[in-house]
Amino acid sequence: AQSVTQPDIHITVSEGASLELRCNYSYGATPYLFWYVQSPGQGLQLLLKYFSGDTLVQGIKGFEAEFKRSQSSFNLRKPSVHWSDAAEYFCAVTSGGSYIPTFGRGTSLIVHP
Amino acid sequence: DAGVIQSPRHEVTEMGQEVTLRCKPISGHDYLFWYRQTMMRGLELLIYFNNNVPIDDSGMPEDRFSAKMPNASFSTLKIQPSEPRDSAVYFCASISLAGGPGNEQFFGPGTRLTVL
Repeated sequence: AQSVTQPDIHITVSEGASLELRCNYSYGATPYLFWYVQSPGQGLQLLLKYFSGDTLVQGIKGFEAEFKRSQSSFNLRKPSVHWSDAAEYFCAVTSGGSYIPTFGRGTSLIVHP
Repeated sequence: DAGVIQSPRHEVTEMGQEVTLRCKPISGHDYLFWYRQTMMRGLELLIYFNNNVPIDDSGMPEDRFSAKMPNASFSTLKIQPSEPRDSAVYFCASISLAGGPGNEQFFGPGTRLTVL
């Protein structure tokens, strides 16, 4: 069965610092990979997704993620974090065999002024 | 489109009462999902429907939970009787998978349920 691991439960960064949130997946077939963001009191919103082509994908709000097949990773990055980026971030995976997304546990981002 | 609509946004009830959560998916989406989110367990998939038919309810925690989708534009999640451990945020999400697995899920704003 496919699985998604987000090893960091909480990440704390200072405003203006760079950010990397880790995501590892376990699946044999070519995965479809997603990052969602959940702001406080809101539902999840798509940041970006990857399923083919350039392994570096750009998303909304200045986020990007890089697919590394050799490491089974799809880490989310942002060069300079803003206080408004404080939220919960979820990595998700689907595959050609199952259209149903599997979500990671989530990483809570805390931004210090 | 207004997005996925959930009601109520907040529900406070007493233990033993019946609770009904409602969801209107995005028009044209063929899958609907119900999730539960808690601090302890994170985001859990409870059940999902394809074209109004329940496909997998293995995530439904107990027989006290039931879900229906009488038509393409409406679904309910019912808890009867409710217990304090059911307190959580319940999300509804919908997706169109007719073109393949690369589409995003659209989530509603959630219903925050508190069972006293």
